[in-house]
Amino acid sequence: AQSVSQHNHHVILSEAASLELGCNYSYGGTVNLFWYVQYPGQHLQLLLKYFSGDPLVKGIKGFEAEFIKSKFSFNLRKPSVQWSDTAEYFCAVNAGNAGNMLTFGGGTRLMVKP
Amino acid sequence: GAVVSQHPSWVICKSGTSVKIECRSLDFQATTMFWYRQFPKQSLMLMATSNEGSKATYEQGVEKDKFLINHASLTLSTLTVTSAHPEDSSFYICSARPSLNNEQFFGPGTRLTVL
Repeated sequence: AQSVSQHNHHVILSEAASLELGCNYSYGGTVNLFWYVQYPGQHLQLLLKYFSGDPLVKGIKGFEAEFIKSKFSFNLRKPSVQWSDTAEYFCAVNAGNAGNMLTFGGGTRLMVKP
Repeated sequence: GAVVSQHPSWVICKSGTSVKIECRSLDFQATTMFWYRQFPKQSLMLMATSNEGSKATYEQGVEKDKFLINHASLTLSTLTVTSAHPEDSSFYICSARPSLNNEQFFGPGTRLTVL
């Protein structure tokens, strides 16, 4: 079964700092990759997704992620964070042999200090 | 965009009672819906996959007789927590996948507290 690892459990940054959140998965075949964000008290929202094509994916709110197949990684980045980016971020993977099932990473709680 | 709703958003019940949670796709048809459980400060754990008109597929360790799932139409799936106990207290989240689409859209979640 596939697994998804997010190595940073908690991240604290000051506004305008750059952000990179790591995500690694364990499946060797075709994958669909997602990053979701959960703002305090709100439901999960899709930030961006990768199905195929350009491995550098741009999402909403200035976020982007790069799929590096050789490293089984899909790291999330933002050049300059804002206080409003304070939230929990989840990486999720749909492996080619898993039907529609999403496997989530453990989540990274980001706090941005004003 | 695709919208998924859940009802109720918060429910408190006594131990031993059953609670039904509804998940609706409001502006699309969902052949597949998913039920997740999220413990405090933890990630989402998939409980079961629900396909319209057929039996749900439960993940390992999830009791199908305790967590009854019904996906009677293309816009509605229900999760019934039977004979709820305090350890069932959690945040239950559903998602819906439109036909011919790999993306899942998430509901706002239902917080269940069992006293």
